[in-house]
Amino acid sequence: EAGVAQSPRYKIIEKRQSVAFWCNPISGHATLYWYQQILGQGPKLLIQFQNNGVVDDSQLPKDRFSAERLKGVDSTLKIQPAKLEDSAVYLCASRGAGGRTGELFFGEGSRLTVL
Amino acid sequence: GQQVMQIPQYQHVQEGEDFTTYCNSSTTLSNIQWYKQRPGGHPVFLIQLVKSGEVKKQKRLTFQFGEAKKNSSLHITATQTTDVGTYFCAGPRANAGGTSYGKLTFGQGTILTVHP
Repeated sequence: EAGVAQSPRYKIIEKRQSVAFWCNPISGHATLYWYQQILGQGPKLLIQFQNNGVVDDSQLPKDRFSAERLKGVDSTLKIQPAKLEDSAVYLCASRGAGGRTGELFFGEGSRLTVL
Repeated sequence: GQQVMQIPQYQHVQEGEDFTTYCNSSTTLSNIQWYKQRPGGHPVFLIQLVKSGEVKKQKRLTFQFGEAKKNSSLHITATQTTDVGTYFCAGPRANAGGTSYGKLTFGQGTILTVHP
């Protein structure tokens, strides 16, 4: 079974530029999450999708971050304009409906450096 | 807001020694999950505990959920170099409602180093 795919793995941009990250969850997983992990900290939830709808974006800084999952499969997270404090690893995770209920499957992450 | 704290932040052990990390939540949790993140890697699910006082074992790893469902611990017996990594506990966000699964608040993690 293929895991959660993310790209790009690494991105370096200057502040005020824009960046987009892509995620393809495990096939059949209806729920998709974006987490932000700053160095030395645990992951922090940004947004949750159920199929193509947003379930929770209360922790997403909407003035600069946006995310979509138009067809209920892959998802894109965008940051515009980026700030220095956005330097982090952006982790996409998905969850299936059955099995171990709460288990999240994380992708390898996209490491963003903002200069 | 809800806080999940872990101690210690760092733990250095000699191979063969035991290791324990503790997790405390500011709110009662419906369940708690543990993840392991290898250096440069992504979090990988280890286990989920649901019942008050629950104890689960996975080979050398023992997980406990406190009676009040506000704390948890992970104990590794006779550590090996393959145990190196950061161990995170995570609980459902407070007031997350019926779709709380996966909306996790993570602790800051305990970084385990094992010296051969």
